[in-house]
Amino acid sequence: DADVTQTPRNRITKTGKRIMLECSQTKGHDRMYWYRQDPGLGLRLIYYSFDVKDINKGEISDGYSVSRQAQAKFSLSLESAIPNQTALYFCATSAGQGQYFGPGTRLTVL
Amino acid sequence: AQSVTQLGSHVSVSEGALVLLRCNYSSSVPPYLFWYVQYPNQGLQLLLKYTTGATLVKGINGFEAEFKKSETSFHLTKPSAHMSDAAEYFCAVSEAGSARQLTFGSGTQLTVLP
Repeated sequence: DADVTQTPRNRITKTGKRIMLECSQTKGHDRMYWYRQDPGLGLRLIYYSFDVKDINKGEISDGYSVSRQAQAKFSLSLESAIPNQTALYFCATSAGQGQYFGPGTRLTVL
Repeated sequence: AQSVTQLGSHVSVSEGALVLLRCNYSSSVPPYLFWYVQYPNQGLQLLLKYTTGATLVKGINGFEAEFKKSETSFHLTKPSAHMSDAAEYFCAVSEAGSARQLTFGSGTQLTVLP
């Protein structure tokens, strides 16, 4: 079984809809991250969490929110999706040196 | 603040030829440095990392990278390219010790020609 899982893997939604992307990990890591990937821009950090009570904004947090439900679960929400949030979203975990990534969620906002 | 510059968004090599992917970083504190590989429709996989100690680090699939502080570089090499090496490669930097966040370069797409 994969160490970091993301659901859904693909999602198409409409402008203005609320959507949640979920991430679960079995690595036992305290640190979890959400990134988005756009062609030619690499990965940009949206939010990160170092434990259940610690949530931090990343480089591009506007329009996103997160919830750390447990050590193993970290969800990303788009309260009102817009087309420029169309991207590939990755969850990652870390124990301090290097990060381990999930397979990604491809989100399309029409 | 930290930043990463990957020179060349696309690199093509022939099968069996040397692979050289360039990465330069900027950091006001000692860095940790990483290379990740992304195969089509997959997440990122850690290839190798430099934290402390030996400046030449070896990773998976025959890749290695050398940390050169004076040149602020961490170039990725492989002596002989294989078709299976075709992928996108990302260099990343974090602060040594805390490693709170990774800052990624924009990526280099490697094509291996038969």
